[in-house]
Amino acid sequence: AQTVTQSQPEMSVQEAETVTLSCTYDTSENNYYLFWYKQPPSRQMILVIRQEAYKQQNATENRFSVNFQKAAKSFSLKISDSQLGDTAMYFCAFIEAQKLVFGQGTRLTINP
Amino acid sequence: NAGVTQTPKFQVLKTGQSMTLQCAQDMNHEYMSWYRQDPGMGLRLIHYSVGAGITDQGEVPNGYNVSRSTTEDFPLRLLSAAPSQTSVYFCASSYFLAGGPRTGELFFGEGSRLTVL
Repeated sequence: AQTVTQSQPEMSVQEAETVTLSCTYDTSENNYYLFWYKQPPSRQMILVIRQEAYKQQNATENRFSVNFQKAAKSFSLKISDSQLGDTAMYFCAFIEAQKLVFGQGTRLTINP
Repeated sequence: NAGVTQTPKFQVLKTGQSMTLQCAQDMNHEYMSWYRQDPGMGLRLIHYSVGAGITDQGEVPNGYNVSRSTTEDFPLRLLSAAPSQTSVYFCASSYFLAGGPRTGELFFGEGSRLTVL
């Protein structure tokens, strides 16, 4: 079975710092998609960033970027200049057939 | 445009009772799914549907039934509730899960908190 693993249950940084959340995955596919979703205290799930495996270039969305290492099956999320509004649960996710499979999540707290 | 609407938002059941969590979307999405969220376990897929009349099992389907008679609605039924089904349930939809520039972009409801005593 294909899996997604997030090894950091909780992280905490000061406002304006840079933080990196880790994710590893396992698949036998050659082309696939990886995602980071954010769940703030409101519980609303929000897609943060998307990466296609066949693209060499790492995806970026404003302050959010990924470090995609295909051979290592690693997909980390970097948040630059962190803001209080970035406080949330962050989930790494992976499409397996017609299913979006999520990791366990990392609770990120941005401190003032 | 309401998006994905789940009802009820909160429910308390006794062991053995049955209930249906309702999910409706008004975006003409083909793909719909149900997840449960438990602390330390992330979101786990219960059932999903790629279109009206088609449903399939996810990671944790036991104890749950679904049907998809219309594009808009995707109810989740608990036939005989158990304390292990205490969780927050999310319904999510998408045009198509994989394909095109919006691949993997699921639109989520606000969640339904279910407690089984």
